[in-house]
Amino acid sequence: DTGVSQDPRHKITKRGQNVTFRCDPISEHNRLYWYRQTLGQGPEFLTYFQNEAQLEKSRLLSDRFSAERPKGSFSTLEIQRTEQGDSAMYLCASSFFAFSAPGASGNTIYFGEGSWLTVV
Amino acid sequence: QKEVEQDPGPLSVPEGAIVSLNCTYSNSAFQYFMWYRQYSRKGPELLMYTYSSGNKEDGRFTAQVDKSSKYISLFIRDSQPSDSATYLCAMTITNAGKSTFGDGTTLTVKP
Repeated sequence: DTGVSQDPRHKITKRGQNVTFRCDPISEHNRLYWYRQTLGQGPEFLTYFQNEAQLEKSRLLSDRFSAERPKGSFSTLEIQRTEQGDSAMYLCASSFFAFSAPGASGNTIYFGEGSWLTVV
Repeated sequence: QKEVEQDPGPLSVPEGAIVSLNCTYSNSAFQYFMWYRQYSRKGPELLMYTYSSGNKEDGRFTAQVDKSSKYISLFIRDSQPSDSATYLCAMTITNAGKSTFGDGTTLTVKP
């Protein structure tokens, strides 16, 4: 059983450029989450999908950020016109939410290794 | 003030010591409580979760939740140098999707 996969693992970009990160969740998981983590801080929630539907977006997700999960499988997170304050690790996570029997599986999430973004 | 507060550390203990890691929270609606371990420049790894109040044990790790005090703890017995990492507490409202994390406690276990 493969875990959550993120690509690229590291990205250095110039301020003003656009970047895109991809996440492949654990295959049977129907929920996918994006978090952002900076040094010395815990992960901060950005958004999550249930299948292809984006169910919640944080206030942290400005207009320059957009996330998609077009077929309910992999997801992309795009940051347009990057700023130095966007430098962080972007974490993807997934879980399986059972509509008929919600419980621990839907409420405990599994993370990928993260994508590090440095904006110079 | 943050919804979840975690003792910042850093914490340094000798090998074999018992370690206690703690978090407090303000939102009484939280029902699931998780502990993650994060090594440097890696993603968080789920260690344990607890639903509602009570204790849960898994090998050398014990998680405790006291909802009346809005306080959770993770105990590590017989700590090992390989336990050296940052420990994150996290909690969520049942089926809400979003988890809220503490800022982590960095633990070093010295041989």
